[in-house]
Amino acid sequence: GAVVSQHPSWVICKSGTSVKIECRSLDFQATTMFWYRQFPKQSLMLMATSNEGSKATYEQGVEKDKFLINHASLTLSTLTVTSAHPEDSSFYICSATDRGRGDTQYFGPGTRLTVL
Amino acid sequence: GENVEQHPSTLSVQEGDSAVIKCTYSDSASNYFPWYKQELGKRPQLIIDIRSNVGEKKDQRIAVTLNKTAKHFSLHITETQPEDSAVYFCAASLNRDDKIIFGKGTRLHILP
Repeated sequence: GAVVSQHPSWVICKSGTSVKIECRSLDFQATTMFWYRQFPKQSLMLMATSNEGSKATYEQGVEKDKFLINHASLTLSTLTVTSAHPEDSSFYICSATDRGRGDTQYFGPGTRLTVL
Repeated sequence: GENVEQHPSTLSVQEGDSAVIKCTYSDSASNYFPWYKQELGKRPQLIIDIRSNVGEKKDQRIAVTLNKTAKHFSLHITETQPEDSAVYFCAASLNRDDKIIFGKGTRLHILP
């Protein structure tokens, strides 16, 4: 079946540094990918819609200058958390739609970010 | 924008009994309602979904009902088993390939 991967699976960084998370669709092309954030024991909250070749669309309350999204190809979207702080520690999950399989949306395995 | 409410937040049922989780949504334009099961530290897994032109759908022990007029939808799990213990999320979307808005989740405990 269709697979969406994320890299890294976990990352620990110091406060003030930037962290890049990759989301790849391995066997299909995705013009749109979504980024979600999930704090411990909470639900998935949509952060932004990543559009191939154009600017991302951010949800209300999500700082676009802090969470930089780049969707440079049909199989790769990246989320960069700039100047990370401890409150950015969370589980970040992407999803991508495989239009060749009935528009099924597949989730990546997630990236656990810990900011010290 | 869309808002999805989910109840209960925690549910404990005896093994073999049925579990029911209920959700409501606010945007009448939503047409796609997936349900996800998530185990600790893992990605959400789609377990069943329903579109707005259908009132009920069943897959073995799992069924979902949708009342579009009332903007209610529910998940029913029958003959619960220990491996059903997990967090379940309801969600709503305009279409299957659109952004998904999740409910807050229900932690289901299956008691031996």
